Amino acid sequence: QQPVQSPQAVILREGEDAVINCSSSKALYSVHWYRQKHGEAPVFLMILLKGGEQKGHDKISASFNEKKQQSSLYLTASQLSYSGTYFCGTESSNDYKLSFGAGTTVTVRA
Amino acid sequence: DAGVIQSPRHEVTEMGQEVTLRCKPISGHNSLFWYRQTMMRGLELLIYFNNNVPIDDSGMPEDRFSAKMPNASFSTLKIQPSEPRDSAVYFCASSFSGPGQGSNQPQHFGDGTRLSIL
Repeated sequence: QQPVQSPQAVILREGEDAVINCSSSKALYSVHWYRQKHGEAPVFLMILLKGGEQKGHDKISASFNEKKQQSSLYLTASQLSYSGTYFCGTESSNDYKLSFGAGTTVTVRA
Repeated sequence: DAGVIQSPRHEVTEMGQEVTLRCKPISGHNSLFWYRQTMMRGLELLIYFNNNVPIDDSGMPEDRFSAKMPNASFSTLKIQPSEPRDSAVYFCASSFSGPGQGSNQPQHFGDGTRLSIL
């Protein structure tokens, strides 16, 4: 079953922050985050494996609350290059399969 | 290193024709995934292989779709006969999956095949 992402879209000015949420109705084994620019392939950002784990990639970080079956992606001091659609992919059992959310479109303006 | 290579990049064909999409995964990766992306349904997993063996094809829409992985460096997704509703971007992705490790490695996506069925 697809995870639910929110918000669907967000518009930012350079330097602003944003949070993207990903919720699942199933217990999660891992959460993956990807970014896709228009007309391109999804590009891997990070994987979170354990409850409460946090990771960072430049000024993009994420957390994973295993008990709440949720993950959040944090965009800090956004840059123009952060524009794109962000997808979370969730694995609900140890079987390599990912279910992707509908995506959150981020637009960063100068 | 070369990434995941898909061909063709674009395919336009008429309804009823056979369509074959090709994928070369990253060398050393043992898991391969075929996805379909549309505005309406988002990114859907169609089928995935582990060590060249199809593990889960529950996402394949119907019997018109078939996929093969004859060796570690090549996979095909075939649609026969094709229909307009098959129009989408089809992505192939690969990763390395250790035993019992689940998805703890990133999936690397190819550039996709944009398929249009007229």
